[in-house]
Amino acid sequence: EADIYQTPRYLVIGTGKKITLECSQTMGHDKMYWYQQDPGMELHLIHYSYGVNSTEKGDLSSESTVSRIRTEHFPLTLESARPSHTSQYLCASSDRGSHEQYFGPGTRLTVT
Amino acid sequence: KNQVEQSPQSLIILEGKNCTLQCNYTVSPFSNLRWYKQDTGRGPVSLTIMTFSENTKSNGRYTATLDADTKQSSLHITASQLSDSASYICVVSDRGSTLGRLYFGRGTQLTVWP
Repeated sequence: EADIYQTPRYLVIGTGKKITLECSQTMGHDKMYWYQQDPGMELHLIHYSYGVNSTEKGDLSSESTVSRIRTEHFPLTLESARPSHTSQYLCASSDRGSHEQYFGPGTRLTVT
Repeated sequence: KNQVEQSPQSLIILEGKNCTLQCNYTVSPFSNLRWYKQDTGRGPVSLTIMTFSENTKSNGRYTATLDADTKQSSLHITASQLSDSASYICVVSDRGSTLGRLYFGRGTQLTVWP
């Protein structure tokens, strides 16, 4: 099992709150990713990073933001949560030169 | 448009039986194809990965096949167990990006009954 961690695993929060989803990996991987997944649907890439101080938006438009200050850490922030943000958020990482992505356990976010 | 289509959407089988899941893709240029297993509430875990030149690859009771000409893949599960109940996701990556962009299918939800 890959060494990639996400916290919290479950989060229920009210509309308008600011939240940060944490993702950390201990494999020294350069590339990291955030995906959004709704039940029964495919994963959609919302953010990715090639390395420290590199962040890019993915295929699916998202109101969230990310930062990559350290190699091992790739947090995702929602400044003002809305019910439409309710979803599962999956973090992944891959090594330089490899397309093999290792996934974290995910954070199930519910905004009421 | 790069796409990955999986069938069936869901499948119920009895413990001990075999089953085959299908994946069709239009991703080009093709790099590799993976099958992932995703347990409920967990992240996907890789089962097999195949490149253009590989026709079949096994991982225990899981055997994946790839026909790069017809752009089809299958995942065969032998002697199913209750723990096989999960979503099985076909993922294709292209050669065209340094990111290693992945294209995900929606998955086949497999339920194994005792």
